[in-house]
Amino acid sequence: GAVVSQHPSRVICKSGTSVKIECRSLDFQATTMFWYRQFPKQSLMLMATSNEGSKATYEQGVEKDKFLINHASLTLSTLTVTSAHPEDSSFYICSAREGGAAREQYFGPGTRLTVT
Amino acid sequence: GNSVTQMEGPVTLSEEAFLTINCTYTATGYPSLFWYVQYPGEGLQLLLKATKADDKGSNKGFEATYRKETTSFHLEKGSVQVSDSAVYFCALRGTSGNTPLVFGKGTRLSVIA
Repeated sequence: GAVVSQHPSRVICKSGTSVKIECRSLDFQATTMFWYRQFPKQSLMLMATSNEGSKATYEQGVEKDKFLINHASLTLSTLTVTSAHPEDSSFYICSAREGGAAREQYFGPGTRLTVT
Repeated sequence: GNSVTQMEGPVTLSEEAFLTINCTYTATGYPSLFWYVQYPGEGLQLLLKATKADDKGSNKGFEATYRKETTSFHLEKGSVQVSDSAVYFCALRGTSGNTPLVFGKGTRLSVIA
């Protein structure tokens, strides 16, 4: 099946700094990418949806100025957590899809962010 | 809005036991239904899916039937193995526009030898 990679797999940053997480589709063109956040023992919470070349659509309650999403190419999307705080510590998962809504979504392995 | 409710875990079973993980959903229209599995240290993988009522999805010995009348998509396996230990997520995708997947909270399964 299609492969989605994320980098880094784990990152620790200090409070107040920014951190960037990359998501790449390795063998297909990701026309749509999704970013999820997963809390311990909780489900995946959708943060935003982005189509290549367009601004991301954020879910209600997600701060667009804090979680900057860029989807500049068909194989790369980035999530930047700006001015990180300890409450931003979480597991961030990206997902990518080629084509329309009926196509399968493929998931990356996730990035564990710890803000100290 | 659309939502998915699945049974709380963790679930611990002995090898070769029968597995059922309940999943019910709330959605308008006829959503597509999915089960994803997340093995330790890995990303979510699609396990099986069903796109219309009475469809049965199956893979690796797992099965789930799309029941419109009970709005359910319960996951079953007749004989679990230690290698099935993972977190299982029920999910749905609505029918309108560019709708993303909506997930349940996940059920952790541990199978002991």
